[in-house]
Amino acid sequence: KAGVTQTPRYLIKTRGQQVTLSCSPISGHRSVSWYQQTPGQGLQFLFEYFSETQRNKGNFPGRFSGRQFSNSRSEMNVSTLELGDSALYLCASSLVTSPSEQYFGPGTRLTVT
Amino acid sequence: SQELEQSPQSLIVQEGKNLTINCTSSKTLYGLYWYKQKYGEGLIFLMMLQKGGEEKSHEKITAKLDEKKQQSSLHITASQPSHAGIYLCGADNSGGSNYKLTFGKGTLLTVNP
Repeated sequence: KAGVTQTPRYLIKTRGQQVTLSCSPISGHRSVSWYQQTPGQGLQFLFEYFSETQRNKGNFPGRFSGRQFSNSRSEMNVSTLELGDSALYLCASSLVTSPSEQYFGPGTRLTVT
Repeated sequence: SQELEQSPQSLIVQEGKNLTINCTSSKTLYGLYWYKQKYGEGLIFLMMLQKGGEEKSHEKITAKLDEKKQQSSLHITASQPSHAGIYLCGADNSGGSNYKLTFGKGTLLTVNP
């Protein structure tokens, strides 16, 4: 079974631009969560989607948004990029039965210049 | 305040030595997840613990959750260079239904041959 995939793996953007990251969950997994990882703050929860609906949201500004499609694939978007948005963005997928193991993708490394 | 404390922050051991990493929560742990991360890459799922007193092992790695469900330990027996990496504990503090994990800052493990 293929793991969680994320595209692109690396991205360089300029301040003020916007960016869209993509995540394909493990087949059969319907919950997708997004996390931001930085050296200073560590891993922080952004939001979680299930059945095309955002069920949970972390403490991030409205510039961070996401969506989920009917095939469970998910995208996150960051608008008006700031230097502080430079981070490794990780998505994780899991089954909807609780408790459930979360499996992470390889991440997208975003650099904002 | 930090809800999940990991100790030590870093650890250097000689190959063949045993080691333990601890993870302490200020809240009840409904689920405790251990992951391993190579720098800049995704998280590799190791184990999930749910019940007080639960213990799981995989190859040379054993994880335990205490009876009060507020502390977990990860023990590696006869460490090898392949064990090197960042170990992260992630906690479900909200009842196992919303797939939002809070992570510790991680423990950087170096294994010298």
